[in-house]
Amino acid sequence: GESVGLHLPTLSVQEGDNSIINCAYSNSASDYFIWYKQESGKGPQFIIDIRSNMDKRQGQRVTVLLNKTVKHLSLQIAATQPGDSAVYFCAELRGGGSYIPTFGRGTSLIVHP
Amino acid sequence: DSGVTQTPKHLITATGQRVTLRCSPRSGDLSVYWYQQSLDQGLQFLIQYYNGEERAKGNILERFSAQQFPDLHSELNLSSLELGDSALYFCASSLTGAGEKLFFGSGTQLSVL
Repeated sequence: GESVGLHLPTLSVQEGDNSIINCAYSNSASDYFIWYKQESGKGPQFIIDIRSNMDKRQGQRVTVLLNKTVKHLSLQIAATQPGDSAVYFCAELRGGGSYIPTFGRGTSLIVHP
Repeated sequence: DSGVTQTPKHLITATGQRVTLRCSPRSGDLSVYWYQQSLDQGLQFLIQYYNGEERAKGNILERFSAQQFPDLHSELNLSSLELGDSALYFCASSLTGAGEKLFFGSGTQLSVL
């Protein structure tokens, strides 16, 4: 979920489990959402995106779900692997001609072998 | 490898000094974004350029400036540095500048002592 204060929320899972990372957004006019993965010492890396006219999109081992009613986004990672350990950010494009992704605070995913 | 190159990787300087961060976008990408990442503020958008022109401005301090050159590389200039400017500075590039699927560099870690 979203972070509060200075600390990132952390999700700890066992290798092979499915992971669900949540994100709440605030702007009902946002029309495009992206998930990024940031590994230690690296920049964020694009994972998957979804437009507001969809409620689900699947990639390789990842699925993004969008619930516009409650302004909630989730990233599901199937069969989580140690290499999935990273900080995951959701980002939104707020529509109205804005071209600037606004990033959430991030969730730290720790995968235990 | 995202294809975005940032130099230097690390920069240590003193308060009051001026530094320049450099970014080479992915080949073919016309737009460059600069973000600041700190522990307490997450990823904050600073400024965007598209094909040499400033397109959007975020929470960029007046002490900071940037430009994109004809060869599309970009520089972020930080002057009169303060302790609070210590952060990781990321450059990202995209083809269209519409905010979709940004490719991030590995960042420049700035430490102001």
